[in-house]
Amino acid sequence: SQELEQSPQSLIVQEGKNLTINCTSSKTLYGLYWYKQKYGEGLIFLMMLQKGGEEKSHEKITAKLDEKKQQSSLHITASQPSHAGIYLCGADQSPRYGGSQGNLIFGKGTKLSVKP
Amino acid sequence: NAGVMQNPRHLVRRRGQEARLRCSPMKGHSHVYWYRQLPEEGLKFMVYLQKENIIDESGMPKERFSAEFPKEGPSILRIQQVVRGDSAAYFCASSGLDGYTFGSGTRLTVV
Repeated sequence: SQELEQSPQSLIVQEGKNLTINCTSSKTLYGLYWYKQKYGEGLIFLMMLQKGGEEKSHEKITAKLDEKKQQSSLHITASQPSHAGIYLCGADQSPRYGGSQGNLIFGKGTKLSVKP
Repeated sequence: NAGVMQNPRHLVRRRGQEARLRCSPMKGHSHVYWYRQLPEEGLKFMVYLQKENIIDESGMPKERFSAEFPKEGPSILRIQQVVRGDSAAYFCASSGLDGYTFGSGTRLTVV
């Protein structure tokens, strides 16, 4: 079965620094989702990527899916304390036709701390 | 649009009691998924339902756990005779053409 490996497991950065989180799959990713979770809370949707080479940005966060669709990265520019949390990547296990069909699998998450 | 609504947010049960977790999907979404998050672990899929239908329950423990999504009302995840190992955060997600949306979760503590 497909597995998602996230790296690093945890990360501590100084405020203002850039950082990158990676998500690697053993198989082709049909849809790749990035979520942020604050401790004790739910998941906040960040971005979804589907096409090889796709890149999306929202505010200071950029997510990319490589051409082979087996690796995604999440890049945060000029990090702030509000970026702290656990970042989770999730993936569709099969192609999506006309809507979501089936469950997502998730990596174990990357815990980000930002020091003021 | 109220999003995916889960209740209760926190639930405390004694060993042997029953726990009922509720999830109302986003308006317009007809697919509901339940996930469990154990401490220090990622989200693990449990069950996928549509109205009155269980589509995939491959992630559900064989005993004590059941789920339903009736024609009217929320989806229910039911855990009978809870044990300490059931303590976890349980998340519900719903999906439509616009992708997956998660609820805020129910944190179950078994004492």
